[in-house]
Amino acid sequence: EAGVAQSPRYKIIEKRQSVAFWCNPISGHATLYWYQQILGQGPKLLIQFQNNGVVDDSQLPKDRFSAERLKGVDSTLKIQPAKLEDSAVYLCASSSTAGTFVYNEQFFGPGTRLTVL
Amino acid sequence: KQEVTQIPAALSVPEGENLVLNCSFTDSAIYNLQWFRQDPGKGLTSLLLIQSSQREQTSGRLNASLDKSSGRSTLYIAASQPGDSATYLCATYNNNDMRFGAGTRLTVKP
Repeated sequence: EAGVAQSPRYKIIEKRQSVAFWCNPISGHATLYWYQQILGQGPKLLIQFQNNGVVDDSQLPKDRFSAERLKGVDSTLKIQPAKLEDSAVYLCASSSTAGTFVYNEQFFGPGTRLTVL
Repeated sequence: KQEVTQIPAALSVPEGENLVLNCSFTDSAIYNLQWFRQDPGKGLTSLLLIQSSQREQTSGRLNASLDKSSGRSTLYIAASQPGDSATYLCATYNNNDMRFGAGTRLTVKP
């Protein structure tokens, strides 16, 4: 079974530039997550999709971050314009479904390491 | 709001030593607790998942325990090997919300 794919693996940009990350979840997984992991910290959830609908984006800085999952499969996360503090690893994960009292294991991709200069 | 803490932040041990990694959480109302491994430049790999009704889970040289009432979990690694070197993260799950600790960076020296 293929895992979660992410690209690019590394990206270096200057502040105020724009950047986009792509994620392809495990086939058949309805739920997709984007996490931000700053160096020395644990991952923090940015946005969760169930199929192509947003379940939770309470921690997404909506003035500069946006994400979409138009066909309920692949997803893109965009930052525009980037700030120095956006330097982090952006992890994508997927699970078969999600619910309040049901846990389905999340499988993580390798991440995209973003450096903002 | 759930807060998850892992101590120590870094640990270095000689090969063959048994070791314990600690994880504490502030809200005991969790559905489960999970331990992950993260290698440099890689994503997270799930190691052990403990349901709230369970006390421990074992996989090979790994044993994870859970004490909900005290808000603590430990990951025990027996007979450590250089290949165990990685960052280990714990995460709690409840109400569709997963919270991670900052991790413990483990180095096992040959």
